[in-house]
Amino acid sequence: NAGVMQNPRHLVRRRGQEARLRCSPMKGHSHVYWYRQLPEEGLKFMVYLQKENIIDESGMPKERFSAEFPKEGPSILRIQQVVRGDSAAYFCASSPDSGNQPQHFGDGTRLSIL
Amino acid sequence: DAKTTQPTSMDCAEGRAANLPCNHSTISGNEYVYWYRQIHSQGPQYIIHGLKNNETNEMASLIITEDRKSSTLILPHATLRDTAVYYCIVRARNTDKLIFGTGTRLQVFP
Repeated sequence: NAGVMQNPRHLVRRRGQEARLRCSPMKGHSHVYWYRQLPEEGLKFMVYLQKENIIDESGMPKERFSAEFPKEGPSILRIQQVVRGDSAAYFCASSPDSGNQPQHFGDGTRLSIL
Repeated sequence: DAKTTQPTSMDCAEGRAANLPCNHSTISGNEYVYWYRQIHSQGPQYIIHGLKNNETNEMASLIITEDRKSSTLILPHATLRDTAVYYCIVRARNTDKLIFGTGTRLQVFP
């Protein structure tokens, strides 16, 4: 059973460009979560999505960041007009439901802004 | 803010049991205790979770005190590959986000 797949593993962008991070959940999982980890810090929740719906985006910055989880295909975290402070590791997790089942994480995308 | 308190770091000799404590004195009746670990540059790895009974799986054991205000993760025979940051997280059923604290940095030495 394949785990949570994230790509790319590493992404380099110049200031002002757009970054698109992809996440394919585990098979049978319909709930997706995005977290951000700044250097030397813990993970911070960003957004929780189910198919075609954003359930909780309380951790998302109000500007430049958006997320989607379409009916077909992976979940996408999009960062527009990136700035140096967006440099971080972005992790995606998935779970089969919103009960007590654990979230399983991918190995993340390391975003570096030049 | 995280609802748990963990020691910043711990050491353990290879082959010995690693006992990682966690305080969650404000835990609610519907909140589960989850343990994850993060090995350098990898995504967090789920270890185990429980509500009030002790739990065991192929990776570890989770001991939860009767009052549920603290718990201990036990790695029965630590190996060098168990060196990681271990996170104790409380989360209510049917809630979404995991709130990560600073965790315990476990160093297993030969």
